[in-house]
Amino acid sequence: DQQVKQNSPSLSVQEGRISILNCDYTNSMFDYFLWYKKYPAEGPTFLISISSIKDKNEDGRFTVFLNKSAKHLSLHIVPSQPGDSAVYFCAASALQTGANNLFFGTGTRLTVIP
Amino acid sequence: EAQVTQNPRYLITVTGKKLTVTCSQNMNHEYMSWYRQDPGLGLRQIYYSMNVEVTDKGDVPEGYKVSRKEKRNFPLILESPSPNQTSLYFCAKQGGGGGNSPLHFGNGTRLTVT
Repeated sequence: DQQVKQNSPSLSVQEGRISILNCDYTNSMFDYFLWYKKYPAEGPTFLISISSIKDKNEDGRFTVFLNKSAKHLSLHIVPSQPGDSAVYFCAASALQTGANNLFFGTGTRLTVIP
Repeated sequence: EAQVTQNPRYLITVTGKKLTVTCSQNMNHEYMSWYRQDPGLGLRQIYYSMNVEVTDKGDVPEGYKVSRKEKRNFPLILESPSPNQTSLYFCAKQGGGGGNSPLHFGNGTRLTVT
C-alpha cells in the first residue's frame, strides 16, 4: 500500500508562473519529508526538505509547506523556469523510529512552457 | 564531490542468467540502499545496509540479494532474473549528516530481462 501519494502524474505551467506540486501521506510516524527532482537518464537529486517541527521551509525559488493535520505537503516553485521541467518525487521517513528508509511517491512530471 | 557509481548503465539479459549490478561510493558513508523505479509505482526500496555486514530487506526484496563486505561497495545480485525484474534500478548512499541527510543517488541501471 502506497504510504506516500502524488495524485497528479503531470503538471504544465507557463514560464514565470507558480508551480504547485502536491503530496499526501498516510503514516503518522513520518517526521521528515523531502522533494527530489529527476531528469531523464539521471538519478534523483535532492531538492529541499522539511522536518515535522516546521510548517514551511524555503530555499530560493523553492518552498515546501507541510500540513501535518491534513498529512499533506506541497512544493511551490516561483517563478517557474524551463529548466525546472523534470519529474518530482515526494519522499518521507520516520526518523523518530531510528529508520533511515525513505518512502517515495509515484512522481509528478512538471513541464514548464517557455 | 559525493558520488555514487553504478555499472552497467544498461543491461539486457535472459531469464535465469545470474547478474550483478555494482555500486560504489567515494565518501565512506555507512548507509547505502537499492531502489527500483517502475511506472506508476515510484521508487521502491529493495535492500538497505546500515554498515559493513549489516543489510536488511526493504519493501520489495524478493528475487534480490545484496552484500556489504566493505563500506565502499554495495552490489545488487539477481541470482535468477525474471521478466518482472525488468526495471530501472538506483543505488543510493546517505550523506554524512546522519538520519536527516538526504540520499545521493547514482545515475541508474536500466535492466531488461527477456
